[in-house]
Amino acid sequence: SQKIEQNSEALNIQEGKTATLTCNYTNYSPAYLQWYRQDPGRGPVFLLLIRENEKEKRKERLKVTFDTTLKQSLFHITASQPADSATYLCATGTASKLTFGTGTRLQVTL
Amino acid sequence: DAGITQSPRHKVTETGTPVTLRCHQTENHRYMYWYRQDPGHGLRLIHYSYGVKDTDKGEVSDGYSVSRSKTEDFLLTLESATSSQTSVYFCAISESGRTSYEQYFGPGTRLTVT
Repeated sequence: SQKIEQNSEALNIQEGKTATLTCNYTNYSPAYLQWYRQDPGRGPVFLLLIRENEKEKRKERLKVTFDTTLKQSLFHITASQPADSATYLCATGTASKLTFGTGTRLQVTL
Repeated sequence: DAGITQSPRHKVTETGTPVTLRCHQTENHRYMYWYRQDPGHGLRLIHYSYGVKDTDKGEVSDGYSVSRSKTEDFLLTLESATSSQTSVYFCAISESGRTSYEQYFGPGTRLTVT
């Protein structure tokens, strides 16, 4: 089955900087990769989906890339704000089953 | 927000007792999922349903059973709770089982087995 790896260490950045989070996958190359945001005590919220034939996807201050050669997806938040502080999860899978990474916690400070 | 509710939101129970968690949706989505989330493991799929009375196992299904008698309700049952089942449980729904469709999550149920 697919294995998803995300940096378990928290990422601390200053307000206004670009945050970059990494998601690595093993085994097969997925057709889609999804990113979610999770705030403490709440369920994950879907942010973006990128297909394997898309190198990049944008939504407002968010950008996701998908490199099938490196087996990696990068998630960028530009002009980060304290309100962006949360845990970000990546997920992929097949046949109705999503596999999630453990998530990376982002802390944006003033 | 997607119309998903979970009940109860918090529960403390003793080892060996049966526990049922309920997920209710108002979106009429075909697919429903139960996950557990534990530190260091992330979200892991327990069971999912692709229609009324149609269910299948996920990654960590041992010790759990599910039922779906109506489109809007998906029940997760721990027949005899163990301390290893202490966790936060999330229900999710999706229009389709394809991984190109996003999942919408409920608020979670925190279960403690003493």
